[in-house]
Amino acid sequence: RKEVEQDPGPFNVPEGATVAFNCTYSNSASQSFFWYRQDCRKEPKLLMSVYSSGNEDGRFTAQLNRASQYISLLIRDSKLSDSATYLCVVNTFGNEKLTFGTGTRLTIIP
Amino acid sequence: SQTIHQWPATLVQPVGSPLSLECTVEGTSNPNLYWYRQAAGRGLQLLFYSIGIDQISSEVPQNLSASRPQDRQFILSSKKLLLSDSGFYLCAWSGDGTWEQFFGPGTRLTVL
Repeated sequence: RKEVEQDPGPFNVPEGATVAFNCTYSNSASQSFFWYRQDCRKEPKLLMSVYSSGNEDGRFTAQLNRASQYISLLIRDSKLSDSATYLCVVNTFGNEKLTFGTGTRLTIIP
Repeated sequence: SQTIHQWPATLVQPVGSPLSLECTVEGTSNPNLYWYRQAAGRGLQLLFYSIGIDQISSEVPQNLSASRPQDRQFILSSKKLLLSDSGFYLCAWSGDGTWEQFFGPGTRLTVL
């Protein structure tokens, strides 16, 4: 089983719609969770950290379910500029390394 | 504020030639530094990471090596490139005690 698993997509979503991605992780000792965004042929950029209580940043909402070991990202009122690959990222306590999922590709259709 | 630089941005090299990619970080001290490779259409593969000068951990045995001659400088090298070394090479840093990583713009390497 992969340490971090994501649905690769692609998700093709009309502009203005709401889209949700899920990600599962295998190590119950994982402590820190993030969503990164990667545009085509560019470096990944931190989108948001995921906190236990869930957190929101504008149109983006991240949730963590420790019992089921999954993380979600919800994008509301999607924009054309949201088209990108979204990477689920996990850190295990005491480890300087991050484990990246292979990403979910999202395309917003006008 | 912190910035991370990588160069060159693009590189085309023949098989068997040497490689040297450089990464520098500004605006922070004692960062953790990382080298990743991303093959076309694939996920990020961690190659090396460093928690301090001359402290390098290798994640994948291969013909690449890394060095950290200064606190904020991380170098990826190879003596002889293989075709399979082609890819997008990304350097990243994280702060002491924090886990978010911040990436440089990357070097796109094509080995012919």
